[in-house]
Amino acid sequence: GQNIDQPTEMTATEGAIVQINCTYQTSGFNGLFWYQQHAGEAPTFLSYNVLDGLEEKGRFSSFLSRSKGYSYLLLKELQMKDSASYLCAVMDSNYQLIWGAGTKLIIKP
Amino acid sequence: GAVVSQHPSWVICKSGTSVKIECRSLDFQATTMFWYRQFPKQSLMLMATSNEGSKATYEQGVEKDKFLINHASLTLSTLTVTSAHPEDSSFYICSARIDRPTEAFFGQGTRLTVV
Repeated sequence: GQNIDQPTEMTATEGAIVQINCTYQTSGFNGLFWYQQHAGEAPTFLSYNVLDGLEEKGRFSSFLSRSKGYSYLLLKELQMKDSASYLCAVMDSNYQLIWGAGTKLIIKP
Repeated sequence: GAVVSQHPSWVICKSGTSVKIECRSLDFQATTMFWYRQFPKQSLMLMATSNEGSKATYEQGVEKDKFLINHASLTLSTLTVTSAHPEDSSFYICSARIDRPTEAFFGQGTRLTVV
């Protein structure tokens, strides 16, 4: 079966760095997405990785290792507004998105 | 970026009535639209995938006669929850894709409460 695993919840301090991991087992691979979702709102796109390596976009970076079925989202200089759920999603061979359950990130002052 | 507009953002209806939710891609033509539901503190659950002009493909366990999906054009898809019951209360989100493989653009979501 297809499976996406990510931690349920993480806590970090304002100004610090946090890494949210995602491991996957899917039928084929056509890219991995990270989305941010604030409570009561729809997800917003953060990043897309299809090749191995690190993609940096401002305070957010995303890493992919296809051979390991592994990705992480790195958030630097954390701000209180970064408190949200972070969803990992993999596009399978049928170009369908398989969603992880999301990681709730709590930022403390 | 591409904009997907979903309407209404919230709705309260009586048990037994039907509710229609619209999803529009405002500045692009969406080859595929997806409908999700999300219960509190849970991840997105795909309900169905629709392609313009063809019947929607429903996920296992989703009643197609209860959740009617119409994808009449490349910019509009509708989800109708028929004979709604309190257990249908949820957050319904649509997303649209221009082509594969690209990101999915999400609508704002619709909070449905059935009383």
